[in-house]
Amino acid sequence: SYELTQPPSVSVSPGQTARITCSGDALPKQYAYWYQQKPGQAPVLVIYKDSERPSGIPERFSGSSSGTTVTLTISGVQAEDEADYYCQSADSSGTLWVFGGGTKLTVL
Amino acid sequence: QVQLVESGGGLVKPGGSLRLSCAASGFTFSDYYMSWIRQAPGKGLEWVSYISSSGSTIYYADSVKGRFTISRDNAKNSLYLQMNSLRAEDTAVYYCARISSSWLDYWGQGTLVTVSS
Repeated sequence: SYELTQPPSVSVSPGQTARITCSGDALPKQYAYWYQQKPGQAPVLVIYKDSERPSGIPERFSGSSSGTTVTLTISGVQAEDEADYYCQSADSSGTLWVFGGGTKLTVL
Repeated sequence: QVQLVESGGGLVKPGGSLRLSCAASGFTFSDYYMSWIRQAPGKGLEWVSYISSSGSTIYYADSVKGRFTISRDNAKNSLYLQMNSLRAEDTAVYYCARISSSWLDYWGQGTLVTVSS
């Protein structure tokens, strides 16, 4: 079955830039989406179609894609950005969805 | 405003069945695909299933195919997940979510399903 691979954890100091990667063989063909989940809360979409930002999401959140890897970048990280981040995409047929394993972002 | 409220979770024995419901409001339910996603305690998100706006197109994750059935009632603005032959590994918070194009733009708060003897 298709898998998306994320690093389990990323740590940065406030004001620095955090980069979270997500790798998958079908990513050159399928868009990726990023969700932020804080403890006890439902996930929230922060990036769609690789690099588009929904309304209400701060400009410090951005996304990019290169080959089989997509990257969520958080510039000028703030304490409130500490959360789990998940990428989501589909298999090469576009019919079966998958989430990455999630990355815990720690703000030191 | 868009609201999704799940219900029907609880404790069930292995091999048992449970039916989850998701009540939608604040948008034209019949215009949107809908999905179920689950999260085992302390674990990551797992996509379970999605259904088209008319109910004619349905897909399942391999882990639940043949045991779970997704359905919807557009007249009642409701989404359902019938879960049969439940296993301990099905223990999770189950979220319903609205699909916008190919992403999940609104999520409910989830309902906990515990499979244990």
